[in-house]
Amino acid sequence: EIILTQSPDTLSVSPGERATLSCRASQSVSSNLAWYQQKPGQAPRLLIYGASTRATGIPPRFSGSGSGTEFTLTVSSLQSEDFAVYYCQQYDDWPGTFGQGTKVEIK
Amino acid sequence: EVQLVESGGGLVQPGGSLRLSCAASEFTFSTYSMTWVRQAPGKGLEWVANIKQDGSQKYYVDSVRGRFTISRDNAENSLYLQMNSLRAEDTAVYFCAKGKSFFDNWGQGTLVTVSS
Repeated sequence: EIILTQSPDTLSVSPGERATLSCRASQSVSSNLAWYQQKPGQAPRLLIYGASTRATGIPPRFSGSGSGTEFTLTVSSLQSEDFAVYYCQQYDDWPGTFGQGTKVEIK
Repeated sequence: EVQLVESGGGLVQPGGSLRLSCAASEFTFSTYSMTWVRQAPGKGLEWVANIKQDGSQKYYVDSVRGRFTISRDNAENSLYLQMNSLRAEDTAVYFCAKGKSFFDNWGQGTLVTVSS
C-alpha cells in the first residue's frame, strides 16, 4: 500500500497570503494524484487531478504541481472560503490511498 | 447536476449487519465505476470498495474484504454496501463517490456507528 504523507499538519495563514501544501508518496505514483478540499460536515470536493489539472469550476488560485513522489498544492491568495482541510490522494495503485490531511486555518 | 444520496446508516451492535444505499441521478449511472469511501470521526479518508460499471469486478480494501459486499442495480441507478460482522473500527461516515480513480462527485455521507 502506498503511503502519502502530507505536511504540515496545520498551516496558519492570513487571508490574501499564499498557502503551500506538500504531499509525499512512499513510492512513485507518476502523475496519478488528486487534491481535495473538505469543510466540516461536508463531503470532500475535488480540486486537482492528474497532479496539475484543475477540476471543473475550481478557481485558478488553486494550482497543483509535481510528479513521482513529491507534490504541491498552492493557493495563491487565500480567501475566507478556502480555510478547510486538504487531502491528497493517489490512484496509481490499488487501493487508492489518501494523505492524513493538512488543516489550513486563519492566522 | 449530479446527485448521490446515501441512506441506511445508523447504530448497530458489534457483529451486526447493515446495508447502505446510494441513489444516483442526473448522470448515466451504468457507465461509471462507483466507489465507497469512509471517514472515521475526526479522521482522514479511506477507500473501502469499488465496483465496475457492469458489476463484473469488485475490489475491497483488506480491512473489509470478506465482511463487506459492494453491489449495484443499474436499472434502479443505485449502489449498495452490505456490511456484515461489523466492528467498532468500522464506525465512520460512509460516502459514495462516482468513479474509480479520483472522485469528482460525492454524496453527503451516512453515519454508521458500531457500539454496544
